[in-house]
Amino acid sequence: GAVVSQHPSWVICKSGTSVKIECRSLDFQATTMFWYRQFPKQSLMLMATSNEGSKATYEQGVEKDKFLINHASLTLSTLTVTSAHPEDSSFYICSATRGVGNTIYFGEGSWLTVV
Amino acid sequence: QKEVEQNSGPLSVPEGAIASLNCTYSDRGSQSFFWYRQYSGKSPELIMSIYSNGDKEDGRFTAQLNKASQYVSLLIRDSQPSDSATYLCAVAVGAQKLVFGQGTRLTINP
Repeated sequence: GAVVSQHPSWVICKSGTSVKIECRSLDFQATTMFWYRQFPKQSLMLMATSNEGSKATYEQGVEKDKFLINHASLTLSTLTVTSAHPEDSSFYICSATRGVGNTIYFGEGSWLTVV
Repeated sequence: QKEVEQNSGPLSVPEGAIASLNCTYSDRGSQSFFWYRQYSGKSPELIMSIYSNGDKEDGRFTAQLNKASQYVSLLIRDSQPSDSATYLCAVAVGAQKLVFGQGTRLTINP
């Protein structure tokens, strides 16, 4: 079964509103979680790396004020897309790991559609 | 130059044949390499990881790594229609970050 769970699986929101996506590690403590975005027919692009208890490290070109990441516990990280616009519509995927050298597990992904 | 490059395909292979997927990477210091399979609309799933030069076999899958040439490949023997998917090559950069190639779309024709 899944060891990393994302919620919701899909969400539709109105332009200008904010939407939160949760990523949970189900049976292990994830010291590091990663958030990716994938547009249709394109590869996964890393958005940010999140370590429990500290601020996320964002990749170049990713707006930290627009994509708020919180990793408040060892089993939960959240991505909040603020003031969403249609161009933010994408497949958002998280991954989690116990730490360096350990397997990286991917969540099931969350489809976001902004209308 | 992209960090991880793959031929986007599509690659068509008849059922039962060997499918060969290739990937090159730019960071000579990379030590960990992964192949993921992604079905349309789904999250990637790990097929193989490889860390040392040479071949690593797991069932119908064989990963090959050549660090001198900065090249990693995936062979799928006895290809099945269910193998039809996009295959993503990923390279670990730094301590834990994965950088993905653009993926190769593979179609196995019955």
